[in-house]
Amino acid sequence: EVQLVESGGGLVQPGRSMKLSCAASGFTFSNYGMAWVRQAPTKGLEWVATISYDGSSTYYRDSVKGRFTISRDNAKSTLYLQMNSLRSEDTATYYCTRERRGYPDYWGQGVMVTVSS
Amino acid sequence: DIQMTQSPSVLSASVGDRVTLNCKASQNINKYLNWYQQKLGEAPKLLIYNTNNLQTGIPSRFSGSGSGTDYTLTISSLQPEDVATYFCFQHNSWPLTFGSGTKLEIK
Repeated sequence: EVQLVESGGGLVQPGRSMKLSCAASGFTFSNYGMAWVRQAPTKGLEWVATISYDGSSTYYRDSVKGRFTISRDNAKSTLYLQMNSLRSEDTATYYCTRERRGYPDYWGQGVMVTVSS
Repeated sequence: DIQMTQSPSVLSASVGDRVTLNCKASQNINKYLNWYQQKLGEAPKLLIYNTNNLQTGIPSRFSGSGSGTDYTLTISSLQPEDVATYFCFQHNSWPLTFGSGTKLEIK
């Protein structure tokens, strides 16, 4: 059974940093691209970033480019999202997703990130 | 960026009804269109990928169609457990984008 478990969220002040992790199990992690998708409170879904199966390629939405970094450790079956210079508009539930041919097929339960002073 | 517009934003229907949800892209997305279901307090779940392919384990009452810029999700006979918000999603080009959702309610 595919499982994706996010961690590392919480309350952070504007301008500070936070790193999210996603522990994957139930599939061969190194064979799949992975992504982060977020959802602001009572809002819709927003794709954030994608990383290829081997980490050689990454893609970001413009609003996080230069501030967020997606990475992975295939030996640990873990996905990361390093978030710097956080803004109030980054407040959201962040979902870790497995990518299948360019789209999310499995989703974690999500982790909440609140950016507020 | 490709804009995805869903209609209606809220749909109320009766159990057993055939319901149709719409999604329009701002440009041709070559059938790279998925549908996700999100129940209250849960993570989204993949229902349909690449316009008309049913994800494993999804009931056959769900189906998808479309081409170019216009796509639809159809539920052939609405069930109480189908109450959720449905999002369309394009993966034809970066940035990947979602529609704003259709909230489906039972009358």
